[in-house]
Amino acid sequence: DAGVTQSPTHLIKTRGQHVTLRCSPISGHKSVSWYQQVLGQGPQFIFQYYEKEERGRGNFPDRFSARQFPNYSSELNVNALLLGDSALYLCASSPSVGGEETQYFGPGTRLLVL
Amino acid sequence: AQSVAQPEDQVNVAEGNPLTVKCTYSVSGNPYLFWYVQYPNRGLQFLLKYITGDNLVKGSYGFEAEFNKSQTSFHLKKPSALVSDSALYFCAVRAPVSSYKLIFGSGTRLLVRP
Repeated sequence: DAGVTQSPTHLIKTRGQHVTLRCSPISGHKSVSWYQQVLGQGPQFIFQYYEKEERGRGNFPDRFSARQFPNYSSELNVNALLLGDSALYLCASSPSVGGEETQYFGPGTRLLVL
Repeated sequence: AQSVAQPEDQVNVAEGNPLTVKCTYSVSGNPYLFWYVQYPNRGLQFLLKYITGDNLVKGSYGFEAEFNKSQTSFHLKKPSALVSDSALYFCAVRAPVSSYKLIFGSGTRLLVRP
């Protein structure tokens, strides 16, 4: 079975631009979460979506937004990119949103902002 | 505030020797605890989790972890390390009151020398 897939794998943008990252969850998983991992740090929670509804949001500015589609795939959008947005963006899926659920991560999208 | 601490940036161990990667947490209520491993240029791979019950949890690739409520710790262990275990290890916690997000530690780099 395919795991969580993310596209693109790498991306280079300049300051002020906009970026869209995409994620397809494991088949049968209805929840998708997004994390930002800056080099040398642990992942930081950005969003969780379940059944197309936002279930949780981390401490990120409004430049960050996301949505989930009827097929449970998801997009993360970042507007007005800053140098500090350079990071590995990880998508994770789980069957539902219970606390005991394991989140399975994709390979990530590495974003470089110049 | 909820947090996870991994006090060691790096752990060095000889192949065949036992290894321990330390993790302590601070969270309200009964936590859900997870260990993930990250290989270079890859996403996070799930190793094991503690939800309830037996304090010793067994996971993938021969890893296990011991939950200690009084010490608020969840140390990762393996009886005999392999060179291929060399990677970045993350401990994560999810609190019942904010079960939508995982809170990660800063990571511990494990280096197993031949």
